[in-house]
Amino acid sequence: AQSVTQPDIHITVSEGASLELRCNYSYGATPYLFWYVQSPGQGLQLLLKYFSGDTLVQGIKGFEAEFKRSQSSFNLRKPSVHWSDAAEYFCAVTPGGYQKVTFGTGTKLQVIP
Amino acid sequence: SAVISQKPSRDICQRGTSLTIQCQVDSQVTMMFWYRQQPGQSLTLIATANQGSEATYESGFVIDKFPISRPNLTFSTLTVSNMSPEDSSIYLCSAQRENTEAFFGQGTRLTVV
Repeated sequence: AQSVTQPDIHITVSEGASLELRCNYSYGATPYLFWYVQSPGQGLQLLLKYFSGDTLVQGIKGFEAEFKRSQSSFNLRKPSVHWSDAAEYFCAVTPGGYQKVTFGTGTKLQVIP
Repeated sequence: SAVISQKPSRDICQRGTSLTIQCQVDSQVTMMFWYRQQPGQSLTLIATANQGSEATYESGFVIDKFPISRPNLTFSTLTVSNMSPEDSSIYLCSAQRENTEAFFGQGTRLTVV
């Protein structure tokens, strides 16, 4: 069965600093990979996705993620964090087709002035 | 993409009562799912809502507690039955097409008192 690990439960960064959120997955083949963001009291918004092809994917709000097959990782990055980026971030995986999406435990991002 | 409308957005209910949550998608989708997000937790899949047949429940979730309907390809309901304070969570509807990301509604924030 597929699984997703986000080792950092909580991260604090200063506004303007760079950000990297870690995600590791467990699956026999290359799955479809996603990053979602959830602001307080809101649903989930898709930041970016990887299905195939270029391993560096660009998303909305200046985020990017890099798929590394050898490390089974799909880390999320942003070069300069804004206060509005404070939210919870979920990495997710699915085998594709009509299969369900499995979510990681989430990383809560705090941005300090 | 798909736009998902979920209602109610929040509710406060008495223990022992039931609440039905509605999920409307703006276009036909193959797959619809219901997730639960307990306070401070990630998303846990409750069940897959199957059009025209009984829902498929994940381990730990049963039909008597969480009956689900899906009469067509754009609509589904989840009922939380005989509620207790432990059912206080955010309930999220999602929709997927083949080999795409999951789209989410804004969620229903349920408080049981």
